[in-house]
Amino acid sequence: NAGVTQTPKFRILKIGQSMTLQCTQDMNHNYMYWYRQDPGMGLKLIYYSVGAGITDKGEVPNGYNVSRSTTEDFPLRLELAAPSQTSVYFCASSYRGNEQFFGPGTRLTVL
Amino acid sequence: EDQVTQSPEALRLQEGESSSLNCSYTVSGLRGLFWYRQDPGKGPEFLFTLYSAGEEKEKERLKATLTKKESFLHITAPKPEDSATYLCAVQGFMEYGNKLVFGAGTILRVKS
Repeated sequence: NAGVTQTPKFRILKIGQSMTLQCTQDMNHNYMYWYRQDPGMGLKLIYYSVGAGITDKGEVPNGYNVSRSTTEDFPLRLELAAPSQTSVYFCASSYRGNEQFFGPGTRLTVL
Repeated sequence: EDQVTQSPEALRLQEGESSSLNCSYTVSGLRGLFWYRQDPGKGPEFLFTLYSAGEEKEKERLKATLTKKESFLHITAPKPEDSATYLCAVQGFMEYGNKLVFGAGTILRVKS
């Protein structure tokens, strides 16, 4: 099993551009999560999903959107990128909401 | 609101010098407390889940313990390869989606 995979690993965006961060898991987990991690700030939850077709906002959802059309995929969309969205983004999944397994992360810089 | 505070922010140890990391939490009904290890440039790696006060779990040189207000991660005779950031997170029974609330982490450096 590959676990949780994320693409791309790195990306530089200009202010106002849009992009989609991809997340795929092959463990048949029903719960999936998106976090951002800023230096010294820990992980903050952006959006989460408890199953295909069901998504909900986390602590810091502004400027982001998600969709969950399949169990495996949970893409995160950034519209109109801003410098405040410079961060490292992690996707995670879990079975029935137990321990979460994380992907390797996407490092995003908005200039 | 669930909260997690980790201390110290950073810890430097000599190889073989045992110590403990602290995770203080407030949560309305603890479903689970989680410890993760994070190496630079990588995603967090799951270590332990603790569910009730008094519970202990061990893995190699690491032992996690839990009380009603805090958890400790004890590191016995650490080695340089134990250097990493250690994250603590709590999950409350009232949280729809079983969301985790993370602390800011403790950066551990072990020197040989």
